[in-house]
Amino acid sequence: KAGVTQTPRYLIKTRGQQVTLSCSPISGHRSVSWYQQTPGQGLQFLFEYFSETQRNKGNFPGRFSGRQFSNSRSEMNVSTLELGDSALYLCASSLKGEKETQYFGPGTRLLVL
Amino acid sequence: GNSVTQMEGPVTLSEEAFLTINCTYTATGYPSLFWYVQYPGEGLQLLLKATKADDKGSNKGFEATYRKETTSFHLEKGSVQVSDSAVYFCALIVNNNDMRFGAGTRLTVKP
Repeated sequence: KAGVTQTPRYLIKTRGQQVTLSCSPISGHRSVSWYQQTPGQGLQFLFEYFSETQRNKGNFPGRFSGRQFSNSRSEMNVSTLELGDSALYLCASSLKGEKETQYFGPGTRLLVL
Repeated sequence: GNSVTQMEGPVTLSEEAFLTINCTYTATGYPSLFWYVQYPGEGLQLLLKATKADDKGSNKGFEATYRKETTSFHLEKGSVQVSDSAVYFCALIVNNNDMRFGAGTRLTVKP
């Protein structure tokens, strides 16, 4: 069974631009959660989607948004990029949102210049 | 609120040395506790977990015991290998809410 995949793996953008990251969960998993990992703040929860609906949201500004499609694939979008958005963005999938059994993807490393 | 504090790294050990990475938590309710490992260029992998007090999680020679009295979940391994070099994260969940992670501890094992 294929694991969680994320595309692209690496991305370079400039301040003010917007970016879209994609996450394909494990087949059959309906929940996708997104996390931001930075050296200063560590791993922080962004949001969770289940059956195309946002179920939980972390403490991030409205520039960070996401969505989930009917095939459970998820995208997150960051608008008006700031230098501080440079991070590793991880997604994790689970069957129904059970965090105890979520599987993480390899992440997308975003660099904002 | 719910939070995790783990010992700061980096930790550098020689092969076959004993490893301890300290983790303490603060939580309302009864958390489940986890250790994740992140190898270079990869995402997080679940290493072990414990869901109630006095449970011991173990995997690949690593162990951690859920100590409610000291609110701790320290990671231990009796004999580390070079291949154990990675970043280790302690984490908790309460009531399946969002997962809270520690800052991570980078371990380097030298031959």
